[in-house]
Order: sequence, then structure tokens, then C-alpha cells
Amino acid sequence: QVQLVQSGTEVKKPGASVKVSCKASGYTFTLYGIAWVRQAPGLGLEWMGWISGYNGATVYAQKLQGRVTMTTDTSTSTAYMELRSLRSDDTAVYYCARDRGDYDNWGQGTLVTVSS
Amino acid sequence: QSVLTQPASVSGSPGQSITISCTGTSSDVGGYDYVSWYQQYPGKAPKLMIYDVRNRPSGISDRFSGSKSGNTASLTISGLQAEDEADYYCNSYTSGSTRWVFGGGTKLTVL
Repeated sequence: QVQLVQSGTEVKKPGASVKVSCKASGYTFTLYGIAWVRQAPGLGLEWMGWISGYNGATVYAQKLQGRVTMTTDTSTSTAYMELRSLRSDDTAVYYCARDRGDYDNWGQGTLVTVSS
Repeated sequence: QSVLTQPASVSGSPGQSITISCTGTSSDVGGYDYVSWYQQYPGKAPKLMIYDVRNRPSGISDRFSGSKSGNTASLTISGLQAEDEADYYCNSYTSGSTRWVFGGGTKLTVL
């Protein structure tokens, strides 16, 4: 069965960077993209961007341009999301999801807390 | 502020039907049949309930249905059950600079 397993909880100081991983299994990684979605405490879902599992092409949400980088390692079927220059409003649960035009399988989420 | 507008909350009694709306523009909901709906329980990852406006993934109850008219998509849940109490989010492709957008979410309460 399809599974997306994310890395664990992170606590970072303002200005630092965080890199979250998402290891996929149960399907051919290169046939689908991976989307990243975050959810701040008590708030709704926010689309962050997408990366192709085939060729690494990316599309990022405009508000995150310049601070976010999404990458993949096809040898390990793993996607990564790095967010730099962290601010307190980046505190959120970060999800990866298999992207086929909709998000049919999700990771368990990674809590990233930004606090001094 | 989300690009797609959903009611903050809806409620219904067991057995009743409810509809959650998701209103956008001709640049997103109205322009493409790429609307999906997600159910989310507190502390859990979202779950795909409807894709491409009206299609149900395997394993999703036929009590859940989707539709679209103009710039508004809708999720209807019939025969409400206590287990349907959750947050629901719509998502649409957009021709804007952000390729995909979510609605603000709707909290469904089963009375």
C-alpha cells in the first residue's frame, strides 16, 4: 500500500532553516509528484508547492518564493522540503502528499516550531 | 484570507443531508474541473473524499458527493453520521501564480 513517512518534530530559532523529509513506498516514485501543504495551529491548509517525482521540476507558492526549496532523491524515493529564514508564523504542521492532481495519500505530518 | 470561500461551520442532525459550498472565480473553480475535497479529524492528516469535482476514491462512502455550478463547488453528505463530524477543505487548480489553492475550511458538527 502507498505510504509516505515524514521526519520527526523540529524546533528551530527564528532565522534558522529546517529540512523535512518524506519517504515514499508502495508505488513508483517517478510516476507522481509530491505536494507540500502546511497547517498553522488552529488554521486551515496552505499549499506550499509541488515537485515532480520524474524530473524534479518545481512550482512554489508565490509567498514562499526565495525561502523554500523542494528536492527529491529518486534512489531512495524521498522528497525534501527546506524552508529558510524561519519566522514565528512558519510554526505549523508540514505535510507531504502524493500529487496526481489531487492528494490521495498523505504523510503523517511534521510539526515545526519556530521559537526563540 | 483564503482564495476559495467556504462557510466556517455547518451542522446537521443524524440522517439529514448537508451541503458545504466552495466559492472561487473563473480563474480557479469556475475554469477547471480540478476541484477536490478533504476530510480532516483533529490532529490527523487530511483524507481525500472527492476528486475532479465529483469522483469518489475507492473506499469512500457514496453518501459523499460533489458537484459544481459556475464558480461554486459543493460537497454534499447525505445520511449524516456522527463519524462525519470533522473539518472539510476544498482545493482547486488556479491559473494564478499559486497553482493550487485551498478553501478556508468548514467545521461540520453533527448535532
